[in-house]
Amino acid sequence: AQSVTQLGSHVSVSEGALVLLRCNYSSSVPPYLFWYVQYPNQGLQLLLKYTSAATLVKGINGFEAEFKKSETSFHLTKPSAHMSDAAEYFCAVITGFQKLVFGTGTRLLVSP
Amino acid sequence: DSGVTQTPKHLITATGQRVTLRCSPRSGDLSVYWYQQSLDQGLQFLIQYYNGEERAKGNILERFSAQQFPDLHSELNLSSLELGDSALYFCASSPREGMGTEAFFGQGTRLTVV
Repeated sequence: AQSVTQLGSHVSVSEGALVLLRCNYSSSVPPYLFWYVQYPNQGLQLLLKYTSAATLVKGINGFEAEFKKSETSFHLTKPSAHMSDAAEYFCAVITGFQKLVFGTGTRLLVSP
Repeated sequence: DSGVTQTPKHLITATGQRVTLRCSPRSGDLSVYWYQQSLDQGLQFLIQYYNGEERAKGNILERFSAQQFPDLHSELNLSSLELGDSALYFCASSPREGMGTEAFFGQGTRLTVV
């Protein structure tokens, strides 16, 4: 079964620092992978998605993720954190039944 | 704005009661998916409808049921509510039977059972 594992339930960075949120996937077939963001009291917003085209995927708000098959990873990065990036981030994979399976989420805290 | 509309945004009810959550998918989308987000279970897939028919079931309790109407809106019915049913319930929609690479989520309905 396809699944994703997010390492670290909380990540703290200073404003202007690099953001790195980790996601590893498990899949017997080439996966479709996604990152979603959830701001406080908001719904889920798609940040970016990997659908087997380019391995480096650029998303909204300056985020990007790189698909690395050898490491079964799809880590999310942003060169410089902004206070407005504070939110919960979810990695997700599409299963063979065409449903999104989500990781447990990583809360990003940004300090001034 | 994803185009997926969920009502109500907040709902507070007592244990043992029954509630109905409503979802209007994006215009033209035929599939509707329901997810539950709770602190202990995370984001869990509940059920999917495609063009009025149930297509897949996930971790949905027997006390919960759903349907999709001819106008494609969907309702999730939760009955005999328990404290543990308190959660954020999301609806998502997609154009085709599977989520594929396009799935758009609503803002969610926050259910509090007291």
